[in-house]
Amino acid sequence: SYELTQPPSVSVPPGQTARIPCSGDALPKKYAYWYQQKSGQAPVLVMYEDSKRPSGIPERFSGSSSGTMATLTISGAQVEDEADYYCYSTDSSVNHRVFGGGTKLTVL
Amino acid sequence: QVQLVQSGAEVENPGASVKVSCKASGYIFITYGMHWVRQAPGQRLEWMGWINTGNENTKYSAKFQGRVTITRDISASTAYMELGSLRSEDTAVYYCARDSNTALPSFDFWGQGTLITVSS
Repeated sequence: SYELTQPPSVSVPPGQTARIPCSGDALPKKYAYWYQQKSGQAPVLVMYEDSKRPSGIPERFSGSSSGTMATLTISGAQVEDEADYYCYSTDSSVNHRVFGGGTKLTVL
Repeated sequence: QVQLVQSGAEVENPGASVKVSCKASGYIFITYGMHWVRQAPGQRLEWMGWINTGNENTKYSAKFQGRVTITRDISASTAYMELGSLRSEDTAVYYCARDSNTALPSFDFWGQGTLITVSS
């Protein structure tokens, strides 16, 4: 099976830059997607195809990918950005569609 | 605006089946596929399967193959996910999520989630 790996937690003071990494062997060939999930709520798409931001997502959210690592960056993180963030992608055959283990972002 | 409204929480006995519905509005139902994703308590999100709402083709995760069936009713703009042979490990929130129609099969809008509890 295929796996995406994320750190369990990231913590930054308000206004600082938060970077959430996601590693996977197929990421050089497959896009990463990022979902924000606040407590008790459904996930929300915040980044697709590595670095494209859906409408309505603040400009402080950006994404990048290099080699086997994709990164979600929140520039000037706000308290309201506190959430679990999940990366998502597939293996090279698109048979395994997987989420990372999630990263809990704390802004304080 | 796009909305996906799911059926309510259920409690099921081990060995039973459960069927969850997902009613779509705000877009043309057959132009976007529908996925089902679940999340057990404290666990990561887990993709279960997908239906092409236009031609009814389906694809399931190997983990759930043989136990899950995804269907749709075009006239009702509703997708369904049925999971059989329930066990305690199937206790989770089940989400429907619209396919994003981007480079990879992925999800742009999500339902509110349906809690399925499997307990005797």
